[in-house]
Amino acid sequence: EIVLTQSPGTLSLSPGERATLSCRASQSVISPFFAWYQQKSGQPPRLLIYSVSSRASGIPDRFSGSGSGTDFTLTISRLEPEDFAVYYCQQYGTSPCTFGQGTRLEIK
Amino acid sequence: DVQLVESGGGLVKPGGSLRLSCVASGFSFTNAWMTWVRQAPGKGPEWVGRMRPKVEGGTTDYAASVKGRFTISRDDSKNTLYLQIDSLQTEDTAIYYCITFRNGWFWGQGTQVTVSS
Repeated sequence: EIVLTQSPGTLSLSPGERATLSCRASQSVISPFFAWYQQKSGQPPRLLIYSVSSRASGIPDRFSGSGSGTDFTLTISRLEPEDFAVYYCQQYGTSPCTFGQGTRLEIK
Repeated sequence: DVQLVESGGGLVKPGGSLRLSCVASGFSFTNAWMTWVRQAPGKGPEWVGRMRPKVEGGTTDYAASVKGRFTISRDDSKNTLYLQIDSLQTEDTAIYYCITFRNGWFWGQGTQVTVSS
């Protein structure tokens, strides 16, 4: 199965700053089957990005996704207080679909 | 709107069984691939298994860690997906979600399964 490794494990930033989260796959991900989620405590994961770069319904345009092959990035252009959470990546082009271990985005 | 509502979780002793349900609405359940995912405390989500629609054979796939103990089924007349979990182990403790892809992934709120003596 494809292993997804997210970095960094924890990212400490201030509101208004730019956040760049990375996800590296152990083998090439079939395009464009890649997604990003945000999760807050006690809630299910919330889909942010699917098909590498398509924003899910209701997701603000400060969230953007990019990448191909084995390297993918989620960028949050200007952090808002509500953006501090855990973020997961997912590949769903090869069965079984797999998820990363998460990046915790915390307030500096 | 796509809605998925899971139920059936609870506290179970090791070796016990549970049947989880997921009631779907807002889309054509009959034609949908349906997937179960679980998330253990403090961990990322883990794919458990999936079921194809009957028009595509209605077959199932499972993660190696659950194969032989977990069984996915569906009742299209009730728009309901099931997950039968047998021989529960402490490492099965997690929130179980049903999810489906409809131009983006949709998740339910999940149901908690706790395995403890």
